[in-house]
Parts: sequence; structure tokens; C-alpha cells
Amino acid sequence: DTEVTQTPKHLVMGMTNKKSLKCEQHMGHRAMYWYKQKAKKPPELMFVYSYEKLSINESVPSRFSPECPNSSLLNLHLHALQPEDSALYLCASSQERGGAGEQFFGPGTRLTVL
Amino acid sequence: AQSVTQLGSHVSVSEGALVLLRCNYSSSVPPYLFWYVQYPNQGLQLLLKYTSAATLVKGINGFEAEFKKSETSFHLTKPSAHMSDAAEYFCAVSEGGGADGLTFGKGTHLIIQP
Repeated sequence: DTEVTQTPKHLVMGMTNKKSLKCEQHMGHRAMYWYKQKAKKPPELMFVYSYEKLSINESVPSRFSPECPNSSLLNLHLHALQPEDSALYLCASSQERGGAGEQFFGPGTRLTVL
Repeated sequence: AQSVTQLGSHVSVSEGALVLLRCNYSSSVPPYLFWYVQYPNQGLQLLLKYTSAATLVKGINGFEAEFKKSETSFHLTKPSAHMSDAAEYFCAVSEGGGADGLTFGKGTHLIIQP
């Protein structure tokens, strides 16, 4: 299984809502990532988890809260988002940090904040 | 700090013609370089990667890229374009290896004319 899955595919939420994005992989990868991609822009790194520990946080606002409950699962908890947070959120995984391994990307969750 | 510059936000070629997408990088250490493709409303798919094993790298779907250190370039080519190649292409760099966070170029939208 060489797939990264993300749910939901689409999400619409109000600024006062709390929601979560879910990412799952069963490739035995030990590094997982969240990226944010605005329309017609490249993906921007948000968080990196390595062996279930947060290793990189690219100065992301606290209204985004990542969680890695186990080596196969990565969540992104959302609270009090702003309309400018509307974007495609991509999850990726790789064998581990460092080395020449590539990242495998999921299809993304398209988030709209009203 | 690492960075990538993709020349040309849009490239248009005729079906059957040569595809050339340009990428120049900046890195303080020998980099790992990647080309990803993104089809509309989808995640990113790895086309090929450079990890210092060979300067000419062959990827999927007939694409290849050549690493030229003297020119700090990693241009993507395909001898004969197909309609299905129409997509967004991203060049990416990682100093820490492909399993660290990736820094993407701004992307090149490839248009295939019938």
C-alpha cells in the first residue's frame, strides 16, 4: 500500500467552529508532514513530525494544532480559523527524516472558512 | 538557506514537441532536488529526484532531468509532449534530504496545444 489518505475531501466551516483533518498512511513511514497550498501557489510547509514527535513548526498560528497519535496517523485540529485560512491542506509522509527518501502526498482536504 | 526558481509560470508546447521546464536552485550544501506534478484538484506526485547518485535522472511518464552543478540547474525535459502532460509542475529542494521539509518553486503550468 503506497497511499496516503486524507479525510474529509472537502470541509466548510465557520470562524467559530472546531474541526479536524485526518491523514493516514500504512507504508511504515516515520515522518509525516502538513502543507498548506493556496490557489495557484506552491505548497508551504506547516509542520513536520518525526517518530511521532513534532520536529518542525514553521511559525504556524496556534489556531492550527497538529497531533500525531501513532506512526500511521496525523491530525490537524482547527479552531477559530479566518477566511484567509481557506486553502488545500496536503499531508505527506516519508521513510524518515534525513536521507534521500521522497515524500508521498495525499490528495488533500480543500478547506473553506466562511 | 535553500530556494528554487522556476522560470516561466506558464509554458505552452504543441503535442509531440519537446517539453522543457526550467529550475534553478540555491543551496548552501549539496541539495536533494525533486520534480513533482499536480493535476487539478489532486495532490502531488513525484516525477523524479536527484540524490547525487547520477546527474541524469529518469523519471515516470518519460520525463528526465539533468543536474548541472556549474549552472545550479535541474531542468525537466520530455522528448514528446502528450495531452495528458498538461498540469502544474513544481521543482523542490531539500538540504536535509527528501524527508525534511521541501521548499517548492512557484510552479510552471504546462499547456499542451493539440
